Amino acid sequence: EAGVTQFPSHSVIEKGQTVTLRCDPISGHDNLYWYRRVMGKEIKFLLHFVKESKQDESGMPNNRFLAERTGGTYSTLKVQPAELEDSGVYFCASSLYLSTGELFFGEGSRLTVL
Amino acid sequence: GENVEQHPSTLSVQEGDSAVIKCTYSDSASNYFPWYKQELGKGPQLIIDIRSNVGEKKDQRIAVTLNKTAKHFSLHITETQPEDSAVYFCAASISQAGTALIFGKGTTLSVSS
Repeated sequence: EAGVTQFPSHSVIEKGQTVTLRCDPISGHDNLYWYRRVMGKEIKFLLHFVKESKQDESGMPNNRFLAERTGGTYSTLKVQPAELEDSGVYFCASSLYLSTGELFFGEGSRLTVL
Repeated sequence: GENVEQHPSTLSVQEGDSAVIKCTYSDSASNYFPWYKQELGKGPQLIIDIRSNVGEKKDQRIAVTLNKTAKHFSLHITETQPEDSAVYFCAASISQAGTALIFGKGTTLSVSS
C-alpha cells in the first residue's frame, strides 16, 4: 500500500511568487494534517482536515496560506504571495482515527523562498 | 495552548552507550505522548508512544517513561547502534479532543562506531 506522498519534493521560488504543494494521503485515511518545520525549530501544526472539512486551522500563520481538500482525497496548500519566512519543510500526515493513533508522514516538501 | 520543550538539541554517543532525550509539556490535559524518528530525507515515523494511564513502556531497545505530576516524559535508547542516528521528536496531544500533535524542536542523535 502506498504511503503518504507529497509533491514537489523541493521548490525554489522568488519572494512574491505562488507555490502550491500537494499531498496524497493513505487511501481511506479521513484525517489529513499539514505541518511545517522551519530549520532547527519544532514541527509546527498548521491545520487538520477530516475528510473535506477543516477541523482545526488554528496553526495557519496568515491569510497568505490556503489549504483545500477537494472531495476528501488529496489536499493542496497554496502560499500566495510567498515571503522569505515561509521557507521550510512542509509535511503532510494522515491517520485513520481521529482520537490519536499513529500519524503517517510524507517525506515533506522543502520550500525555499529567495 | 500546549507547549512542548525538548532537550538536548543534539546528542552524541558511542555505539553501545545509552541515549536519553527529555521532554516537558505544559497542558495537564495532554494524555498522549508519541515519539517520532526522522531519518535523513524521510518523513517522521512513529517509534513508540505512551498514554497517561501508563508510567513506562518498552519495545526492545527503546523505552519511554512518563511522569504526569512533573509533566515530563523521556525516551531511552539502550545499546545504541549507528542506525539509531536520526532526529527524534517528542509530541503531546489531548486524545479525547482529537487535538493535533504538538511537537518539540527535535534532538539530533549521532551514534559513532
